[in-house]
Amino acid sequence: QSVLTQPPSASGTPGQRVTISCSGSSSDIGSSTVNWYQQLPGTAPKLLISSNYQRPSGVPDRFSGSKSGTSASLAISGLQSEDEADYYCAAWDDALNGPVFGGGTKVTVL
Amino acid sequence: QVQLQESGPGLVKPSETLSLTCTVSGGSISNYYWSWIRQPPGKGLEWIGYIYYSGSTNYNPSLKSRVIISVDTSKNQFSLKLRSVTAADTAVYYCARGNGVHTYWGPGTLVTVSS
Repeated sequence: QSVLTQPPSASGTPGQRVTISCSGSSSDIGSSTVNWYQQLPGTAPKLLISSNYQRPSGVPDRFSGSKSGTSASLAISGLQSEDEADYYCAAWDDALNGPVFGGGTKVTVL
Repeated sequence: QVQLQESGPGLVKPSETLSLTCTVSGGSISNYYWSWIRQPPGKGLEWIGYIYYSGSTNYNPSLKSRVIISVDTSKNQFSLKLRSVTAADTAVYYCARGNGVHTYWGPGTLVTVSS
């Protein structure tokens, strides 16, 4: 069972906006920043969003992140077929002195 | 461009020790944290532990009694040893740069625990 809670699945048609939630606690999301990773089928995770909303170079601005209190969310605007992937949130856990991950959300483009 | 590559046996017998090495290329291992993360088949990501290039470490408490992570700066490598493995340790093992934010990842290597 993962420390951070994500919905197992989300879906949308091409062009739609999809939002993924990530819920934590005061010892993780509530006291640190949130990162998001995209894992395309059969590949390693790739950093998508860091420090709540920062996009690394090369990540399309269709992807955006936000955080409020002990929850965070990832939004994909203008959904494209190549966005079909698993998405994981992660945050630093003060008690663990290490990162914790969400269980992942599988995004399907209908 | 920094690249990471995991290497090691793909099959380990129960009760034995899993040993993996991550080779870093395109950049120095110095001045960074380096992590091991695993993913059981069809499941989510689990942090195993991290090491600073100087050698200081921190491990996931759930694995701490069985894990050792070490670094060899002369070879630009860091390694994972997980002892007394069981079938529950079957997973794709990833090495990555960073301890909180993982900016670069290796492609991963599947390690199966089976007799």
